[in-house]
Amino acid sequence: TQLLEQSPQFLSIQEGENLTVYCNSSSVFSSLQWYRQEPGEGPVLLVTVVTGGEVKKLKRLTFQFGDARKDSSLHITAAQTGDTGLYLCAGGGTSYGKLTFGQGTILTVHP
Amino acid sequence: DSGVTQTPKHLITATGQRVTLRCSPRSGDLSVYWYQQSLDQGLQFLIQYYNGEERAKGNILERFSAQQFPDLHSELNLSSLELGDSALYFCASSAGQGGRNQPQHFGDGTRLSIL
Repeated sequence: TQLLEQSPQFLSIQEGENLTVYCNSSSVFSSLQWYRQEPGEGPVLLVTVVTGGEVKKLKRLTFQFGDARKDSSLHITAAQTGDTGLYLCAGGGTSYGKLTFGQGTILTVHP
Repeated sequence: DSGVTQTPKHLITATGQRVTLRCSPRSGDLSVYWYQQSLDQGLQFLIQYYNGEERAKGNILERFSAQQFPDLHSELNLSSLELGDSALYFCASSAGQGGRNQPQHFGDGTRLSIL
């Protein structure tokens, strides 16, 4: 069974601070996706990384896939209150579209 | 708006009952996925259908079943409901059979409460 350990579970920071969320596994994934979920809504895809060592930037968000495709990180620079939400990493395996999700990180950015 | 429609948004029922959750995928998407989200287990993959056929199965209980119809909408049937089945049930869709470069688009979920 593939498992994804996501940390930290909770993050409470002030606006303007930087933060990093980690996603680790002992299994290799064919891809790693990051989602953001707000209350009452479904997860919304932020990015997909597929190549070991890949780095993708989306404005203030930087995503990295580990060289061995077992881990990933999400770094947010100068957090804003609008970044508040649940961040989920999800690993894609070889079984078609099955995604294995981490437990999530609840981010709260205070003004 | 992801384009994935789930109904109903909320469902309240009692133990032992049976319910049906419905999902309409994004226009043109052939795969439908069902996930269960609970506080203790997080988001768990249940099952995937592609163009009417089952493609992948997760830890779906025997009391749960799903199907995808010719018009590509899908239904998830939950029977002999137990208190522990209370959760958010999400449907997602993707264009093809799934894979590294095929993003999944999620609906807003059905919140199931068992009393």
